[in-house]
Amino acid sequence: AQSVSQHNHHVILSEAASLELGCNYSYGGTVNLFWYVQYPGQHLQLLLKYFSGDPLVKGIKGFEAEFIKSKFSFNLRKPSVQWSDTAEYFCAVNGESSGTYKYIFGTGTRLKVLA
Amino acid sequence: DTGVSQNPRHKITKRGQNVTFRCDPISEHNRLYWYRQTLGQGPEFLTYFQNEAQLEKSRLLSDRFSAERPKGSFSTLEIQRTEQGDSAMYLCASRPGPIGLAEQFFGPGTRLTVL
Repeated sequence: AQSVSQHNHHVILSEAASLELGCNYSYGGTVNLFWYVQYPGQHLQLLLKYFSGDPLVKGIKGFEAEFIKSKFSFNLRKPSVQWSDTAEYFCAVNGESSGTYKYIFGTGTRLKVLA
Repeated sequence: DTGVSQNPRHKITKRGQNVTFRCDPISEHNRLYWYRQTLGQGPEFLTYFQNEAQLEKSRLLSDRFSAERPKGSFSTLEIQRTEQGDSAMYLCASRPGPIGLAEQFFGPGTRLTVL
C-alpha cells in the first residue's frame, strides 16, 4: 500500500537549534517527493521538491532535504531554526504509477520554536 | 493575487443540509485536485480533474459527494445530506499539465462544520 510516515508528530525546539524531521514512504515505482509547510492561518506552501538528480535538495528559507532511496526516506533539515519556522510540516509523495500524480501525505509534524 | 482561491472559507451547516464549495485554480492550470484534511491528519485525496474530465475518485468520496469542473475552469464540490463526519477542511489544488513533474499549488481551504 502507498503510504507516508512522519514519526515526529510534535517537535519543540529553541531558536538556533538544528532541525531534522523524518519522512519515510512506501510507494511503487519512481517517486517524486515534496515537503510542504503550513504556517498558522495560512495555506499549504511548497518548501522543496525532489524529482531526480542530486538527492540533496535545497528549498526556501534555508531548508534542505536528502532523498535516500535505500531507506525510502526524505528527511527535512535546517541547521538553525527561527521562531518564524513555527508551523506544521507535511511530507508528500506522488508518482507516474498513480496516473494522476495525486499526493499521498504524511500526518504532519507540528514544530514549535521557542524564542 | 493569482493563486488558487476557494469559497467560502468557512461553512457551518446543520446535519442533513446540502453544501457546495467552489475552487478557482490558477488560470493556466488544467489539472485540479480536491483533498480533505481532518484534525491531526494530512490531506487525503478525494478527486482529480484533467480539464473538465473527472478522471479519478477516491473511495472516500461517497455517493453523497459530487464534483464538477464545467468548461475546465473553476470546480465545485457538493456534499448532500451532510453528516457530522463530513466536518473537515476541504482543500483544492491545481498544477499545470501535461507533465507530471510539477508541484501542486494549494488554496486556503474551506472549513466545514456540521452541527
